Amino acid sequence: EAQVTQNPRYLITVTGKKLTVTCSQNMNHEYMSWYRQDPGLGLRQIYYSMNVEVTDKGDVPEGYKVSRKEKRNFPLILESPSPNQTSLYFCASSLTGVDTGELFFGEGSRLTVL
Amino acid sequence: AQKITQTQPGMFVQEKEAVTLDCTYDTSDQSYGLFWYKQPSSGEMIFLIYQGSYDEQNATEGRYSLNFQKARKSANLVISASQLGDSAMYFCAMREGFTGGYNKLIFGAGTRLAVHP
Repeated sequence: EAQVTQNPRYLITVTGKKLTVTCSQNMNHEYMSWYRQDPGLGLRQIYYSMNVEVTDKGDVPEGYKVSRKEKRNFPLILESPSPNQTSLYFCASSLTGVDTGELFFGEGSRLTVL
Repeated sequence: AQKITQTQPGMFVQEKEAVTLDCTYDTSDQSYGLFWYKQPSSGEMIFLIYQGSYDEQNATEGRYSLNFQKARKSANLVISASQLGDSAMYFCAMREGFTGGYNKLIFGAGTRLAVHP
C-alpha cells in the first residue's frame, strides 16, 4: 500500500530534550516536505527536499533541522524543543514537487512540549 | 500579507443540501494552482480537487466542484448533496508558479464544516 508513515504519532516531551520525528514513504517520490498545523494558521511549511541531499527552508524553519540521506526518509529533528513548537506535524511527499499532482500526507504527529 | 483567505471559520449545512466554502487568494504569478484538502476528525489530510490557473473549465471530482473566478481571485469549493461524512475541516491551498516554484503549498486557515441530519 502506498503511504507516508510518520512516527511517533503522539509525543509529550519537555523543553530542551532533543527529539526526532521520522517520516518514510514507499512511493519512490523525489519530493518530501514537513508542515506544521496550528489553529487559525492552517499548515505552514517547515522544510522541503527536492531530492536526496537537497533540502531547503520553508516558511517557519527556526528550531528545526532535517536531513535527506535516502530517498525514502526525511526525518524532522528538534534539537532543543520549546513550548512554541507544540503543534501537529505533517510529512508529505509527491513524485516531483507541488505541481498538479496530489501531495501525499502522513497521518500527522501531535507533539506537546512542556 | 495573507495569500489564502478563508473567511468562514465554521459552516453548517443540512444533509443532502449543497454548500459552498469560500476561498480567495493573492498572487502576482500568471501560472499557479489551487487545491482543496479535507481533514476529518481523525487528522489525516485528504486531497479533494485541483484547478490550474490556465484551466478554462472548472474542476470537478464527483460531488466536489471548484468554482474558479480568476478575475475575482476566488476558488470556492462546492459540495453537492452533503453527507454526514463530509463533516470535517477544509483547507484551500495555492501553489505559486514561477516565483514559488514547485516546492510548497500555501494554506488558508481552514473552514470547519458540520453536516446536520
